[in-house]
Amino acid sequence: GQQVMQIPQYQHVQEGEDFTTYCNSSTTLSNIQWYKQRPGGHPVFLIQLVKSGEVKKQKRLTFQFGEAKKNSSLHITATQTTDVGTYFCAPRGAGNMLTFGGGTRLMVKP
Amino acid sequence: GAGVSQSPSNKVTEKGKDVELRCDPISGHTALYWYRQSLGQGLEFLIYFQGNSAPDKSGLPSDRFSAERTGGSVSTLTIQRTQQEDSAVYLCASSPGLNYNEQFFGPGTRLTVL
Repeated sequence: GQQVMQIPQYQHVQEGEDFTTYCNSSTTLSNIQWYKQRPGGHPVFLIQLVKSGEVKKQKRLTFQFGEAKKNSSLHITATQTTDVGTYFCAPRGAGNMLTFGGGTRLMVKP
Repeated sequence: GAGVSQSPSNKVTEKGKDVELRCDPISGHTALYWYRQSLGQGLEFLIYFQGNSAPDKSGLPSDRFSAERTGGSVSTLTIQRTQQEDSAVYLCASSPGLNYNEQFFGPGTRLTVL
């Protein structure tokens, strides 16, 4: 099945700094979703990317899908303490089944 | 409106005992998924149900794991003869249908096997 690797596993940033997490696959993906999980919480859907080279923005968050549809990234501009959590990428496969990456845990120092 | 609910929120059991975990999806959602999240890890797909179709059990780690979905709504995940490695948070998610992007997750059941 589809497998994705996320890097880095952990990231400490000072509030106001930027943050990027990367998601890489050895196979071409038909789509990819991103979820955020706050500490002690459950995953919450952020976005789905489908098209090659697609870029979508949500306020300070920018999501990209690579031209070859084998990688994706999430960039947060000027992090805030509310951005703390673990960010997961997850290709959606047959039956809407999600294969989650290992996640990147973001910690923000105020 | 009400989200996905799961019960119990916490379950502590002894090795070898059976446990049942319950999921109430959002009303009207035809697709229901079970995932497992071990401490500090990503989510591992277990099983999904879509309407009245046969479930996709491809993610179940062993034959000790089974799940049912009665009347197309509530689902129960059963783990027989629990082992310590079964300790994890079990998350349920639902979505309106197969072609809907977002999955809505419940709060999870934290299972601890002593």
